[in-house]
Amino acid sequence: AQKVTQAQTEISVVEKEDVTLDCVYETRDTTYYLFWYKQPPSGELVFLIRRNSFDEQNEISGRYSWNFQKSTSSFNFTITASQVVDSAVYFCALNSGGGADGLTFGKGTHLIIQP
Amino acid sequence: DAGVIQSPRHEVTEMGQEVTLRCKPISGHNSLFWYRQTMMRGLELLIYFNNNVPIDDSGMPEDRFSAKMPNASFSTLKIQPSEPRDSAVYFCASSHPESYAEAFFGQGTRLTVV
Repeated sequence: AQKVTQAQTEISVVEKEDVTLDCVYETRDTTYYLFWYKQPPSGELVFLIRRNSFDEQNEISGRYSWNFQKSTSSFNFTITASQVVDSAVYFCALNSGGGADGLTFGKGTHLIIQP
Repeated sequence: DAGVIQSPRHEVTEMGQEVTLRCKPISGHNSLFWYRQTMMRGLELLIYFNNNVPIDDSGMPEDRFSAKMPNASFSTLKIQPSEPRDSAVYFCASSHPESYAEAFFGQGTRLTVV
C-alpha cells in the first residue's frame, strides 16, 4: 500500500523567513513519482514539481527547492525568503503505477505567511 | 489549451436529489481521474479511467456513486441519492502517457447537500 505523510498540519512564519515543508512516503515499488501541488485560497490545484525515483538530485526553481532522499523516504520542500503570496495549502503526492493510475496525496500543510 | 473543464463550479442540492458532475479532459489525454476533497479525509481518488475504460473504482465510497466516460472528451460522476456527507469539492484530472504521471486538475466542483 502507498502512503504519504505530511506531519505538519499548519505552519506560520513571518514574511522573508525560510520554511521547509516535510513529506515522508511509503511504497513497495522501486519505480515511482513524487509530486508537490499548491492549493491557494482560490481552490485550484497547481502543479509545482515532479521527481522520479531514480533521480535524487535536488532541484531549485527560484525561491523553491526540493530535497529528495530515498534513504529516508522523504521529499521535502523549502521556500526561501517567503512571501505573502506563498500562503496556501501544499500537498505532497505519490504515484507508483507508472502514470496510468492516480495519485496518493498527503493531508497537506497549511502555510501562512504573515506580513 | 483550455485545461480540464469541470461543470458546474458550485452545486447546492437537497438531500435525496440526484447530482451529476461533469468533466472535459484535456484533448489527447487518455487517463481521467475523479478525486474528492474533504476536511476530514483530504484528497481521495474515487475512480480512474484509461482510454475511456474504468480501471479502478475501489475509491468510490458507496453504490450511490457512479462514473461514466462515454467518450474521450467527457466524463460524469453521479450521486443518487445525495446525502449531506457527500458535501465536498470534487476534482477531475487528466494525464497523458508521456506526462510521467503528472495530472492536470480542473477547477473543481463544490458540492453542498442540504
